[in-house]
Amino acid sequence: TQLLEQSPQFLSIQEGENLTVYCNSSSVFSSLQWYRQEPGEGPVLLVTVVTGGEVKKLKRLTFQFGDARKDSSLHITAAQPGDTGLYLCAGALNFGNEKLTFGTGTRLTIIP
Amino acid sequence: GAGVSQSPSNKVTEKGKDVELRCDPISGHTALYWYRQSLGQGLEFLIYFQGNSAPDKSGLPSDRFSAERTGGSVSTLTIQRTQQEDSAVYLCASSLPTSGTQYFGPGTRLTVL
Repeated sequence: TQLLEQSPQFLSIQEGENLTVYCNSSSVFSSLQWYRQEPGEGPVLLVTVVTGGEVKKLKRLTFQFGDARKDSSLHITAAQPGDTGLYLCAGALNFGNEKLTFGTGTRLTIIP
Repeated sequence: GAGVSQSPSNKVTEKGKDVELRCDPISGHTALYWYRQSLGQGLEFLIYFQGNSAPDKSGLPSDRFSAERTGGSVSTLTIQRTQQEDSAVYLCASSLPTSGTQYFGPGTRLTVL
């Protein structure tokens, strides 16, 4: 059973377009993180959200945690080729430094 | 070193052989995690070490998998009698006890022929 489902699984868009990636679950998470992973490397943390309804911005990236802390979204404005990569959401079921449950991943390709 | 390091970066082995994968966490990080990532997929939790506490082994897929962490630092993941379905990238991460940020190594790509 996959606790975190991401959609879409693959996304290929032109440079300059906007996009949204979704991360959904039936479970409530104490916190949710978004990572980006490039080929041959480990995932790198982009953001952590902990409060229901929380919105965080990182330059052109906007992250939102659902009110019920079961879902999250990542919105990219004016996508650039450097945004290309595998985006992973990951949830912690318990507060503290616990194991993460990772989503299925969204492979994003930005076409110049 | 500045980050989490893993060795080897690539390992090709024959079905039935044992393999050992090594992880050197960031100095001072008391928490250490092992994950497995199959081709193009998300990460699957394997095992978690925190200080001197008993490790959380709930993610290990079978008794062929085991892990140790010696001296609270370096960790070794051992897979005995490897099977083709064990082929994946094995990722290690470490973190501080009060932080939710896990820092990942580059992974070891294991291929079982």
